[in-house]
Amino acid sequence: VQLVESGGNLVQPGGSLRLSCTASGFTFSDFGMNWVRQTPGQGLEWLAYIRSDGDLTYYEGSVQGRFIISRDNAKNSVFLQMSTLSAEDTGIYYCARFIRQLTSKYYFDLWGQGTLVTVS
Amino acid sequence: EIVLTQSPATLSLSPGERATLSCRASRSVDNYLAWYQHKPGQAPRLLIYDASKRAAGIPARFSGGGSGTAYTLTITNLEPEDFAVYYCHQRWSWPPGSFGQGTKLEIK
Repeated sequence: VQLVESGGNLVQPGGSLRLSCTASGFTFSDFGMNWVRQTPGQGLEWLAYIRSDGDLTYYEGSVQGRFIISRDNAKNSVFLQMSTLSAEDTGIYYCARFIRQLTSKYYFDLWGQGTLVTVS
Repeated sequence: EIVLTQSPATLSLSPGERATLSCRASRSVDNYLAWYQHKPGQAPRLLIYDASKRAAGIPARFSGGGSGTAYTLTITNLEPEDFAVYYCHQRWSWPPGSFGQGTKLEIK
């Protein structure tokens, strides 16, 4: 059971980048998925959520309109398309699975190891 | 926005000792609080959710408590693999929720 992120890179301010996260060992299409980042300035910060069927998304305010989360359940993957990047977006980006329990929700019960995005 | 403040920033203890980490919320989060363990270069790991429920596979030496605005993570009989950074996280206000700034548990 794991999540593996990829796509992190060095990008210039104003540029774009697409991150990927591939899941294995569980039924990916049963779970809501998220992107969370860790930055020197803000610590850990939730960025975006996509429902299991892909038909509902939420975004944190500072990335709304710049980032787009999507998923491909046939490929067990979730993506984060990032645009208009700035130095404040520099950090480690994690994909994280929402816990799937009847009465306990919105906790991250599985994380990847992260992928580094540097905007400079 | 609910701000989570963790203390202490760094805790220096020896294996076998007991660690008590604190997380204080700027307003009540109604026990909708989790704790995560994070080691450098590794995936963060969910330890505790709903303030006191242990996640699957988490040893019994990890326990969570508290209510309202004040929560604690207690680790009894510290093992060498327990030295890491610990974050609290509230989901009462999700989206977006919020995380604390972390407590580094280091070997004394």
